[in-house]
Amino acid sequence: GAGVSQSPSNKVTEKGKDVELRCDPISGHTALYWYRQSLGQGLEFLIYFQGNSAPDKSGLPSDRFSAERTGGSVSTLTIQRTQQEDSAVYLCASSADLTQPQHFGDGTRLSIL
Amino acid sequence: AQSVTQLDSHVSVSEGTPVLLRCNYSSSYSPSLFWYVQHPNKGLQLLLKYTSAATLVKGINGFEAEFKKSETSFHLTKPSAHMSDAAEYFCVVSKPHSSNTGKLIFGQGTTLQVKP
Repeated sequence: GAGVSQSPSNKVTEKGKDVELRCDPISGHTALYWYRQSLGQGLEFLIYFQGNSAPDKSGLPSDRFSAERTGGSVSTLTIQRTQQEDSAVYLCASSADLTQPQHFGDGTRLSIL
Repeated sequence: AQSVTQLDSHVSVSEGTPVLLRCNYSSSYSPSLFWYVQHPNKGLQLLLKYTSAATLVKGINGFEAEFKKSETSFHLTKPSAHMSDAAEYFCVVSKPHSSNTGKLIFGQGTTLQVKP
C-alpha cells in the first residue's frame, strides 16, 4: 500500500553514536510529523513540517535532536551523541494538510546500549 | 493549554460484551478530538474523529464516541467486543482545524484486554 514508510524498523546503537531515522510520507501529503513513544513519557510531539513553512521544533527535547525534510517529501530525524534515555519508538505521521487526520507509520524502535 | 486524561490504564472485557474506554479533555479552545488504536509493534490507526460537527461520531470496526461538552468527555464505546479489538487505545486532542497547527496531544493510553 501507499502508507507512511519508516526505516529502519529497528536500530540498536552504542551510546554516543549518531543515528538517522527516515520517514517517507504518503504521496501528496504536505504535513509531516515526528513523535516519540517511550515507556516513561508516553507519546510526545517532537516536530512538524508543513509545506515550505518553517518547521515547528517546539517538541524537540534537546539540541542533539534535529530533523529536515528535503524536497517537501522524505524526512530524516537525526539524534547526535545518543544517550540511553533516547531509547524509544520514533513515529512519523503525515497528513494532507494541517486540518486533516494524521496517518502513522509503524515506527522505528531505537535501542541505545 | 490542552490535555487529555484517560481514566483507566487497563480495561478487561469478555468477548461479546460492551466496551467503554473513558477520556476527559481540557482545552481552552473548541477542540478536535480523536481516538487512535495501536496494535503491538504497529503504528497508530485512526478510529474516529470529532471536529465540531455531530456530537456522536461513528468510526471504524463498530466503535463510536460521544462528545459531551458539559462533561468535557469523549468516551469510546463498542457494543460487542471482538478478540481482535485487544490493543492500546489513545484519546487525542489537537487545536481546532482553524488554527495553524497540527500538533497532537496524547492521553497515556488504555490497554484493552478481551477474554474469550
